Amino acid sequence: DAGVTQSPTHLIKTRGQHVTLRCSPISGHKSVSWYQQVLGQGPQFIFQYYEKEERGRGNFPDRFSARQFPNYSSELNVNALLLGDSALYLCASSWGQVPTYEQYFGPGTRLTVT
Amino acid sequence: QKEVEQNSGPLSVPEGAIASLNCTYSDRGSQSFFWYRQYSGKSPELIMSIYSNGDKEDGRFTAQLNKASQYVSLLIRDSQPSDSATYLCAVSKAAGNKLTFGGGTRVLVKP
Repeated sequence: DAGVTQSPTHLIKTRGQHVTLRCSPISGHKSVSWYQQVLGQGPQFIFQYYEKEERGRGNFPDRFSARQFPNYSSELNVNALLLGDSALYLCASSWGQVPTYEQYFGPGTRLTVT
Repeated sequence: QKEVEQNSGPLSVPEGAIASLNCTYSDRGSQSFFWYRQYSGKSPELIMSIYSNGDKEDGRFTAQLNKASQYVSLLIRDSQPSDSATYLCAVSKAAGNKLTFGGGTRVLVKP
C-alpha cells in the first residue's frame, strides 16, 4: 500500500509570496496533521484535520491555513512568506484523532524562502 | 521548561553495543508516547509506540515508560551503523492526537 504522499518535494519562493503544499494520506486514514520542522529541531504542530474539520491548531500566525477535502487529502497554505518560514513541512496521517492512533509521516516538502 | 526534553547528543556507541536514549515530559496528562527515527534529510519514521507503564519490545528496540517519573526511554540492542540517525521522542495528550516532539537525540554507531 502507498504511504503518505506530499507534493512538491522542494520549493523555492520569494518573501511575500504565497505557497500551497499538498498531502494525500494513507488509504483509509481520515486524519491529517501538518508539522513544521526547522533544521536542528523537532517537528512543531501546525494543524490537525479529521473528517474535513479542523480539530487542532498550533501556535502559528494566521498566515497559515489548511483544509481537508472529501477524499481526506489536505493542503496547507502559507501567505506573505517570511524568511523564517523556510523549513521542512511534514504531513502525517492516522486513522482518527484518538491519542493512541499512530501517525505516519510523508516525505515532506522542503520550502526555501529567499 | 520544554514540554518534551531530550539530550541532543551525539550519543556515540560502538557497533554491537546497546544505545540508551532518554526523554522526559512535563504534562502528566500525556497518554501516548512514540519514538521516531529520522535520517538526515528524510522524514521521521515511526519505530515504537507505548501507552502503559513498563517495557515494550520490538526486535532490537525496547521502549520503557514510567508515568510516575514522567520519562520514556528507548534501548537499541546490537547497534548497527545503519542505526545512526536522530531519534525523536513524541508525546500525545488526552484530547486529539497532536504530537509534541523533543529536539531529538543524534546517535552515531561506529564500526
